[in-house]
Amino acid sequence: DIQMTQSPSSLSASVGDRVTITCRASQGIKNDLGWYQQKPGKAPKRLIYAASSLQDGVPSRFGGSESGTEFTLTISSLQPEDFATYYCLQYNSYPLTFGGGTKVEIK
Amino acid sequence: EVHLVESGGGLVQPGGSLRLSCAASGFTFSNYFMSWVRQAPGKGLDWVSLITNSAVTTYYADSVKGRFTISRDDSKSTLYLQMNSLRADDTAVYYCAPYSSTSGFGYWGQGTPVTVSS
Repeated sequence: DIQMTQSPSSLSASVGDRVTITCRASQGIKNDLGWYQQKPGKAPKRLIYAASSLQDGVPSRFGGSESGTEFTLTISSLQPEDFATYYCLQYNSYPLTFGGGTKVEIK
Repeated sequence: EVHLVESGGGLVQPGGSLRLSCAASGFTFSNYFMSWVRQAPGKGLDWVSLITNSAVTTYYADSVKGRFTISRDDSKSTLYLQMNSLRADDTAVYYCAPYSSTSGFGYWGQGTPVTVSS
């Protein structure tokens, strides 16, 4: 099974900050990775697919990148509505696996 | 517009059974792989099961293998999850989602809560 190690598990940031979240895959997954945002009591929402493709309707301040087995979600300028929990998902092979999540809180 | 409505959740005793349903609309259901993902209270997302189009193949997380069965009725655009021998650690909100091998899960339902407790 492919393990997705996500870091940090939480972070505190201010509006306007640049935020970076990382997921490391235990083996190669090509670019079969997505990033999801979840707010309390709501279903997850896809932000990025194929490691770096922006979902339609998602603000351009969200970006994804990859380097080997390390994947990064960057929020270039954190907005009030971005305070949420973020998850990565690898869909290269079964079982599909999520990272443990990163909770982004207000500093 | 894609719409997914899960139902069938509730309170069940350990060892009991439940059948979840997910009614889909707004896309050609029969063309898509479909999946269940769950989230225990205060925890992260946990993939449960997937069924290919035409129900050719099914996949399960080790934690539910042998206890849960995924199925679909393309004539009703409905996905099911039969859950048997339920345990306390199956307590979660269960989401259904169409799956793409090139982009993962693009749409999610609102979820249905399952509580396993005596």
